[in-house]
Amino acid sequence: EAQVTQNPRYLITVTGKKLTVTCSQNMNHEYMSWYRQDPGLGLRQIYYSMNVEVTDKGDVPEGYKVSRKEKRNFPLILESPSPNQTSLYFCASSFGLAGAYEQYFGPGTRLTVT
Amino acid sequence: GDSVTQMEGPVTLSEEAFLTINCTYTATGYPSLFWYVQYPGEGLQLLLKATKADDKGSNKGFEATYRKETTSFHLEKGSVQVSDSAVYFCALSDRVNKFYFGSGTKLNVKP
Repeated sequence: EAQVTQNPRYLITVTGKKLTVTCSQNMNHEYMSWYRQDPGLGLRQIYYSMNVEVTDKGDVPEGYKVSRKEKRNFPLILESPSPNQTSLYFCASSFGLAGAYEQYFGPGTRLTVT
Repeated sequence: GDSVTQMEGPVTLSEEAFLTINCTYTATGYPSLFWYVQYPGEGLQLLLKATKADDKGSNKGFEATYRKETTSFHLEKGSVQVSDSAVYFCALSDRVNKFYFGSGTKLNVKP
């Protein structure tokens, strides 16, 4: 089954404790992206990747890191989480350029930072 | 910068009513426009899209027309069903790498 998976689905952590949210897709997609969803703000793009070793900042990259060492995986790293990073996070992938192809979204990761 | 503005919700309708969710955008180039739907507890799914002015996207009875002169992409459906209850997001892409989403409109359809 074609899908985007994220782990963990739920995470409660404390300020400053490094964490990684994994994202994996099995569709051989080139484009992958991370979003955060906050009430009243919709989804905001954090980082995206056009291909292996090619990443760039979205609208709200501060406090986040990403890497794309393999085509299928695009982990999101919070090196020193803060309470304002409490949010619902979505990973997405598409075959090619974001505007030309449908994005497939993962089920989301709900992160709480205390 | 690019942005999307959509009407605030929630929108509550009775089954078989006509639906309109307004969406306007600001973009420097010639964006592609999208409507995504999010059902409770799930990720977003593409509902429809339009890639150039005057294009009409349609799917599952929903329609939206890319209006460059009014910078709008309003979502419509002639007869909503209870199963259409969800959150609807208007979005644009700058055709290269970035996506911009509206704040979402929650639709509640009552039997």
